[in-house]
Amino acid sequence: QKEVEQNSGPLSVPEGAIASLNCTYSDRGSQSFFWYRQYSGKSPELIMSIYSNGDKEDGRFTAQLNKASQYVSLLIRDSQPSDSATYLCAGNSGSRLTFGEGTQLTVNP
Amino acid sequence: ETGVTQSPTHLIKTRGQQVTLRCSSQSGHNTVSWYQQALGQGPQFIFQYYREEENGRGNFPPRFSGLQFPNYSSELNVNALELDDSALYLCASSLGVTGGVKNQPQHFGDGTRLSIL
Repeated sequence: QKEVEQNSGPLSVPEGAIASLNCTYSDRGSQSFFWYRQYSGKSPELIMSIYSNGDKEDGRFTAQLNKASQYVSLLIRDSQPSDSATYLCAGNSGSRLTFGEGTQLTVNP
Repeated sequence: ETGVTQSPTHLIKTRGQQVTLRCSSQSGHNTVSWYQQALGQGPQFIFQYYREEENGRGNFPPRFSGLQFPNYSSELNVNALELDDSALYLCASSLGVTGGVKNQPQHFGDGTRLSIL
């Protein structure tokens, strides 16, 4: 079992729709979770961090964490073509970030 | 605020050679982590340096080694290069090492793309 698993992509949504990205993790010692966006050929860019159970909203992005279910999600509202990228979920336990393989999102105009 | 910078951006080496990659951390950050990202995969943790000491290591062989300098910049050295070492090498910096309840986010540089022929 992989330590961090993301829903298999690719995911395609129309412009203006809600994109839902999901992630599960196996290490109960993980305390912090992060969502990174990575455009093709570029490095990961931090878009959200979440540390407590519940929802955290930042603009069009909402991260959700459920430690009992070992589940993290990212919702992107009013999706834009510029949101088309690979989204990486990562959990932090101690010094390391453990990443999922990423979900490729395409937002169609 | 100066972000994380890495050099070089691209590098081509042959099997058996050695390579050194460099990273300058974001202003105010004292911790540097290195990751290897193969095509189509998520980044894999190599190791982390905090205050010039290794502070955690992933599942990489000893031919992957590193340093952190007093100004918090860092180097990744890879000896005896293999074809499978071809990847994007990412450096990330963060503030402090809590190892506890709340870990500070890591911010990535643009990476070094290493190709082994």
